[in-house]
Amino acid sequence: QVQLQESGPGLVKPSETLSVTCSVSGGSISSNYWSWIRQPPGKGLEWIGYINYSGDTKYNPSLKSRVTISVDTSKSKFSLKLSSVTAADTAVYYCARVPLLYCSGGSCQSYFDSWGQGILVTVSS
Amino acid sequence: DIQMTQSPSSLSVSVGDRVTITCQASQDISNYLNWYQQKPGKAPKLLIYDASNLETGVPSRFSGSGSGTDFTFTISSLQPEDIATYYCQHYENILYTFGQGTKLEI
Repeated sequence: QVQLQESGPGLVKPSETLSVTCSVSGGSISSNYWSWIRQPPGKGLEWIGYINYSGDTKYNPSLKSRVTISVDTSKSKFSLKLSSVTAADTAVYYCARVPLLYCSGGSCQSYFDSWGQGILVTVSS
Repeated sequence: DIQMTQSPSSLSVSVGDRVTITCQASQDISNYLNWYQQKPGKAPKLLIYDASNLETGVPSRFSGSGSGTDFTFTISSLQPEDIATYYCQHYENILYTFGQGTKLEI
């Protein structure tokens, strides 16, 4: 059973860069895709981006200019960096596993089958 | 972009109730629709994928149906541990979209 665990600072100053890391255990990071999702307090879920073991990344267009996701397969970890943060970036940040991703007949399927517990990151001076 | 419209946004329920939540896509998405449960302070949990397939270990009182643009999630007999917020989700054009969520309240 794969397990994911987020870590990183819980407080970031405005205009600085938010950095969180996800440690993967109980399964190989060198398969599947791995994703970041966030949830502002009291609000819904927003996908940030994903990466695979070879470093292929895709990002939500609404965040693309500020997001970098990277992977360290030797440490079974992948990381999120979000630059130039504001209070609007205050959220619980989740990492998750993407077990499949495919398109057929003009439509596509992908979902998240394992999640970390989440880490609250507050942007405040 | 495909829009996912989930309703209702909240629902007052009682133990034993049959609960139904709907999710409508702005265009045909075949059966590529997934449902998650999120309890307060916890991460979301995948319950159903491909509109109607139950994830391993999920109780059979949960079910999903639909294809094309209209989808339904059902709890056949609500248990106390089912109090949570439920989200639908779809993936298209390198973008994951979640519904707005349905919060079940006693």
